[in-house]
Amino acid sequence: GENVEQHPSTLSVQEGDSAVIKCTYSDSASNYFPWYKQELGKRPQLIIDIRSNVGEKKDQRIAVTLNKTAKHFSLHITETQPEDSAVYFCAAIPTGGFKTIFGAGTRLFVKA
Amino acid sequence: NAGVTQTPKFQVLKTGQSMTLQCAQDMNHEYMSWYRQDPGMGLRLIHYSVGAGITDQGEVPNGYNVSRSTTEDFPLRLLSAAPSQTSVYFCASSMDRGLDTGELFFGEGSRLTVL
Repeated sequence: GENVEQHPSTLSVQEGDSAVIKCTYSDSASNYFPWYKQELGKRPQLIIDIRSNVGEKKDQRIAVTLNKTAKHFSLHITETQPEDSAVYFCAAIPTGGFKTIFGAGTRLFVKA
Repeated sequence: NAGVTQTPKFQVLKTGQSMTLQCAQDMNHEYMSWYRQDPGMGLRLIHYSVGAGITDQGEVPNGYNVSRSTTEDFPLRLLSAAPSQTSVYFCASSMDRGLDTGELFFGEGSRLTVL
């Protein structure tokens, strides 16, 4: 089955700096890679996703990149703000599959 | 629409007790699932369902039962609670995966403590 590894587990940056979170997956059949943000005490919510036929996707200050050959994908947050402080989860879903498998999460702290 | 509704939000059980976490969605989603969230371990899939009458195991199914008699409801049952089941539980739903739409909509979570 799919296994998703996520690094780092904790990331602390200064406001205005960039943050990068990296994930690797094991199942080469995976074709959908979402990222979820979970604020303290809240439910996870989708912030961006990428499919296997796309190498990069941007949405304002966040972007995701995908390298299918190496089986890794990354989340990039530019110009970080205190409200970006949260736990971020990457995930993967195989083609035709129904299981969304999550990484262990990255706790991002943005210091003002 | 209320989205995904979970009850109860908090529950304390004694070892060996049973209980059911309720989950309901009003978005006509075919796919529903249960996750548990533990510190440092992310969200782990317990059970999932791709439609009424169909359920399957996830990554950590032991100690939990599910059923899906309607599209709207997907309850999670703990038959004999153990301290290792102390966790935050999230129910999530999604549109039919056959349409390749993958976004999960989560409930607010249920915090369970087993003493």
